[in-house]
Amino acid sequence: QKEVEQDPGPLSVPEGAIVSLNCTYSNSAFQYFMWYRQYSRKGPELLMYTYSSGNKEDGRFTAQVDKSSKYISLFIRDSQPSDSATYLCAMSLSGGSYIPTFGRGTSLIVHP
Amino acid sequence: DVKVTQSSRYLVKRTGEKVFLECVQDMDHENMFWYRQDPGLGLRLIYFSYDVKMKEKGDIPEGYSVSREKKERFSLILESASTNQTSMYLCASSLGQWQETQYFGPGTRLLVL
Repeated sequence: QKEVEQDPGPLSVPEGAIVSLNCTYSNSAFQYFMWYRQYSRKGPELLMYTYSSGNKEDGRFTAQVDKSSKYISLFIRDSQPSDSATYLCAMSLSGGSYIPTFGRGTSLIVHP
Repeated sequence: DVKVTQSSRYLVKRTGEKVFLECVQDMDHENMFWYRQDPGLGLRLIYFSYDVKMKEKGDIPEGYSVSREKKERFSLILESASTNQTSMYLCASSLGQWQETQYFGPGTRLLVL
């Protein structure tokens, strides 16, 4: 079992839909959670990060961490065609570990 | 904003050639990383470095070496390129200490013929 599982998709939604992207993980010691967005043929760019449990909101994006279920989510409200990309989750231990573990990414397509 | 740049966006090389990929970051980050990204396999860590002249093997170091002579620059070397090294290569950096967030460069798409 991979440490971080992420459905590769593709996930296809109409413009304006609410999108839910998810990752599950097996290492209960993970404390630091990140979401990256990667457009085709580009490098990943950091979208959001959260420490430990709870929610974090940034504009149309909300990151949610449920440590009891070992489950993290990224919600995108009012999705736009420009949101079409691959979304990678990443997570790591804190206090000295420098290397996140990445999911394989979910491909999202938002059609007009 | 953190800026991570990579020397080439696209590169075509022949089997057996020695290939140099360069990465530069401008935010005084301690840590630098080299990944390759292949469809269905996700990001795989090749090498990383915590400090100048320090290097550590990642998950798939075979066929690669690295060099970090200056803090801002981290080079990936393919000693003798092979067709199975055709891939997207991504460099990343992070601040260090407790800061695990990585910032990525635009990537180099390498084709080995």
